[in-house]
Amino acid sequence: AQSVTQPDIHITVSEGASLELRCNYSYGATPYLFWYVQSPGQGLQLLLKYFSGDTLVQGIKGFEAEFKRSQSSFNLRKPSVHWSDAAEYFCAVGINTDKLIFGTGTRLQVFP
Amino acid sequence: NAGVTQTPKFRVLKTGQSMTLLCAQDMNHEYMYWYRQDPGMGLRLIHYSVGEGTTAKGEVPDGYNVSRLKKQNFLLGLESAAPSQTSVYFCASRRGQLYEQYFGPGTRLTVT
Repeated sequence: AQSVTQPDIHITVSEGASLELRCNYSYGATPYLFWYVQSPGQGLQLLLKYFSGDTLVQGIKGFEAEFKRSQSSFNLRKPSVHWSDAAEYFCAVGINTDKLIFGTGTRLQVFP
Repeated sequence: NAGVTQTPKFRVLKTGQSMTLLCAQDMNHEYMYWYRQDPGMGLRLIHYSVGEGTTAKGEVPDGYNVSRLKKQNFLLGLESAAPSQTSVYFCASRRGQLYEQYFGPGTRLTVT
């Protein structure tokens, strides 16, 4: 069955440090891939998406993600984290295009 | 544009009571979704709709019913609430199969 795995439940980084959040999927073909961010008490906001083409995609708030077909991964990165980036991050995969399958999320904590 | 709105924002029910959650979108999107979010479990799809007058079951449909009588509205009903339905409920909409989902701000439901 198709699945999305975010191996890190909780990550803590210092402000200004670099960040990488991992996402792996299990799917036979190249899926559509998304990263969402959820601030406390809020809904989910799209950070970036990949459908095809350039495997390095840029998103909002200085985030980027790289699609690696050989590793079935779509990791999210940011070179320098700001305190306002503290939130929960969800990776999602489009399957059969009607639905998205979401990972269980990674909670990011940022220390000053 | 208001985007995706959800009514109410908070609700407390007693076991056995019924209620309806309303989701409205003003983006003329075809697809609409209802999710529930519980700690450590990510987002789980309850029901979804691929167009006015259509509905389909998601991952966790039991205990819920939905209706999509108008394109802009997607209603989620609980006929007899149970404590296991205590959760945060999110609605989302999507223009079509090749597009991202837009989320509402959520409804926090507590069943005592």
